Amino acid sequence: DAGVIQSPRHEVTEMGQEVTLRCKPISGHNSLFWYRQTMMRGLELLIYFNNNVPIDDSGMPEDRFSAKMPNASFSTLKIQPSEPRDSAVYFCASSPWTGAVQYFGPGTRLTVT
Amino acid sequence: GQQLNQSPQSMFIQEGEDVSMNCTSSSIFNTWLWYKQDPGEGPVLLIALYKAGELTSNGRLTAQFGITRKDSFLNISASIPSDVGIYFCAGPTDSWGKFQFGAGTQVVVTP
Repeated sequence: DAGVIQSPRHEVTEMGQEVTLRCKPISGHNSLFWYRQTMMRGLELLIYFNNNVPIDDSGMPEDRFSAKMPNASFSTLKIQPSEPRDSAVYFCASSPWTGAVQYFGPGTRLTVT
Repeated sequence: GQQLNQSPQSMFIQEGEDVSMNCTSSSIFNTWLWYKQDPGEGPVLLIALYKAGELTSNGRLTAQFGITRKDSFLNISASIPSDVGIYFCAGPTDSWGKFQFGAGTQVVVTP
């Protein structure tokens, strides 16, 4: 079975540009999580969805960040405008039911110059 | 807020040695998860613990759910080069499946 799929795997963009990261959770999973990982702050939860509904977005750092989940098989994390401090690895994870273990995607390494 | 402390931060060991790491929480957990992250990849689940006192093995890995429900331990026996990576503990912070992750323990295995 396919795991969590993220695209792109690498993204290099200039400051001020819009960035869209994509995630396809494991089929049948009803919870989806977006994380950001940096050396300084470790693994931080940005936002998570249950049955396509955002439950907690308190981890989203600024209004420049937004996330959507239009259906059970697709989610996006958008940064507009991007800044150099947004450079990090962004992970998407999904779980089969509320409170269950999470399965991570391979991540998107974002570099903003 | 809830604190999750993982130690040690890093370990440099020789192949064949055993490795131990632990996590402590300021709050009681009903679940402890242990993940491993290889370079350039996402974290992969190693072991999930659901009951205080539970001891679970996965090959050379053994994890325990502390009796106080505020700590957990992961041991790797007879380390090999492919054990290199960052190991994370995680515990739930709400009933919706939100997990808090430890800062990670970086393991380096030398031949």
